[in-house]
Amino acid sequence: QVQLVESGGGVVQPGKSLRLSCAASGFTFNIYAMHWVRQAPGKGLEWVALISYDGYNTYYGDSVRGRFTISRDNSKNTVFLQVNSLRSEDTAVYYCARAQSGSYRQPFDYWGQGALVTVSS
Amino acid sequence: EIVLTQSPGTLSLSPGERATLSCRASQSVSSSSLAWFQQKPGQPPRLLIYDASNRATGIPDRFSGSGSGTDFTLTISRLEPEDFAVYYCQQYDNSYTFGQGTKLEIK
Repeated sequence: QVQLVESGGGVVQPGKSLRLSCAASGFTFNIYAMHWVRQAPGKGLEWVALISYDGYNTYYGDSVRGRFTISRDNSKNTVFLQVNSLRSEDTAVYYCARAQSGSYRQPFDYWGQGALVTVSS
Repeated sequence: EIVLTQSPGTLSLSPGERATLSCRASQSVSSSSLAWFQQKPGQPPRLLIYDASNRATGIPDRFSGSGSGTDFTLTISRLEPEDFAVYYCQQYDNSYTFGQGTKLEIK
């Protein structure tokens, strides 16, 4: 069965960096686009970033563009999110999610349990 | 950016009743690229409906989606106790945006 397991969350000071990982299993990872979505405590969902199935194309939400970088290692079935210059408003649970196929206009059909990132001094 | 506005913010109903949730887009969502998710406390979102009206794998047929253009609806025909949760709509036509959510609570 499809599984997505995030790791790398934690408490980090403002201005610092963190790298989140999402390990995938149960499907052919290298044919699916992958996303990161975040949810601040008690708030709604915000799309963060997308990476194409082959890793060549990436897209970002306006609030993170220039600070966050999405990447993937298809040999390890893992997608990453490098988060830099962290701000208090980046505090959230970060979910990785699978696109329903390799193309971009697809719903997010499987989600991980999420990794909590808390930005605090 | 396509803004999605969900209504009502909170819906109070009893098990066995019918629930109708609305999602309105600030501009037309082409190809009906709209999904509905259910989220329970401490859990990730779960895909219910995609392409406006297609049920995702394993979703009971009491859940149905309809609509096109700027107006979309999620209907739960007969509420079960496990259906009380927060529901989000999402468009994936032009980038990706979510509605603010509708909380479905037990009356």
